[in-house]
Order: sequence, then structure tokens, then C-alpha cells
Amino acid sequence: GQQLNQSPQSMFIQEGEDVSMNCTSSSIFNTWLWYKQDPGEGPVLLIALYKAGELTSNGRLTAQFGITRKDSFLNISASIPSDVGIYFCAGLITGTASKLTFGTGTRLQVTL
Amino acid sequence: SQTIHQWPATLVQPVGSPLSLECTVEGTSNPNLYWYRQAAGRGLQLLFYSVGIGQISSEVPQNLSASRPQDRQFILSSKKLLLSDSGFYLCAWSAQFNGRSFGPGTRLTVT
Repeated sequence: GQQLNQSPQSMFIQEGEDVSMNCTSSSIFNTWLWYKQDPGEGPVLLIALYKAGELTSNGRLTAQFGITRKDSFLNISASIPSDVGIYFCAGLITGTASKLTFGTGTRLQVTL
Repeated sequence: SQTIHQWPATLVQPVGSPLSLECTVEGTSNPNLYWYRQAAGRGLQLLFYSVGIGQISSEVPQNLSASRPQDRQFILSSKKLLLSDSGFYLCAWSAQFNGRSFGPGTRLTVT
């Protein structure tokens, strides 16, 4: 099935650094979601974006819904060791039961 | 609040054996239910979704099947497992057509 292009695929950063990752698509979505998955667990929703241009924060996390509706960005400020995990973006066309398309994931590793 | 349960958490099965994974949701009614599979280090692949009891839609043709015998119960099955069926199986639910909330997952290893 279709997947969104997510970059970078993996990141090694030092504790305290800021992190940026993005997600792009050839299709338009009307909702963007960002999930984090810890090893051996299910993904957990971090941020949901519902309007083009929307900028939403959740603690140290900030995400933006791109104006073209074809991309989204996630920033993590002042990273800490527990930020380690895989981050997935997902685009949704509301009104359809199945059309939540996931990105390929960004694996984040934080070194002390 | 809503919670989603999956069991078993881990399963090791030989090739050719049957499979039954169960998912239940609490605290909501008439949810949309989903089964996803995640191969090691990969993204999430939608396998099945259901908008109501007895209603199953398949996204990927394969030797797996799904059933929804009750409103908040979703079962993933196979009559004969293949090696390629190994992976991390995630159940999810959503209200209407919103974003998914995921269960803890079942790690299946087919030997």
C-alpha cells in the first residue's frame, strides 16, 4: 500500500539537541498525525493536526500541518534519553474508514 | 476512558499451524477496528478493518482472515501459518473515522 516519505530514516543526536523530521506525500490529506513507538509496544499518538498551516505543541514537541496539505513537520526541543523510539507520521482522509496512510518512520537515538 | 487489549503478547508457532489473535476494546461502543502488521524495522501495514459486527474489509490478500463476532471484539486468524507471517501485530480502534489508538501488540514468530 501507499506510504508517506518520512525523513530522515534515522538520527543519532546528543541529549539536549533539537530534532526535526518531516513527512511528504504526493496526495493531499485533511488530517496529519504523529505517533511515537517504543520498542515492543504499540504506537502512541503525540499530536494531531486538522487544518492547513496549523502549528500545535505538546510539551517539547511541535508539529505543523503544511500549507500545501502534502507535508508535515515534527520538532522535538531539548531531547532527552526517553525520546528514543520510532516516530511515525500518518495522513488521514476523513470520511473513509481505512485511509490512514503511515510514513516509513524515523528512528531516533539519543546519546548522553 | 477507552482501553484496548491484545493477547497473547508473544507467540511462537510452527509453520502450518493455526493462529488466533484476539483484540478487545473497552469504554466505547461501535468503534471502527483495525488489524495492522509491522515487520521488523518497518512501517505499519493495514491488514483488515471493520466498521461493525460481521463487517470485515481486507486490504491485503493473504492467508490471514479477520472476524468481528461482537461489537468490541476483533479476531485475526489463519488456518496455516507461513514463515512470512512473522511480525508484530497491532490492533487499533477509532471513533468514526478519526486517528487510530493502538493496542500493545502481539509479537508472532513463525518457526
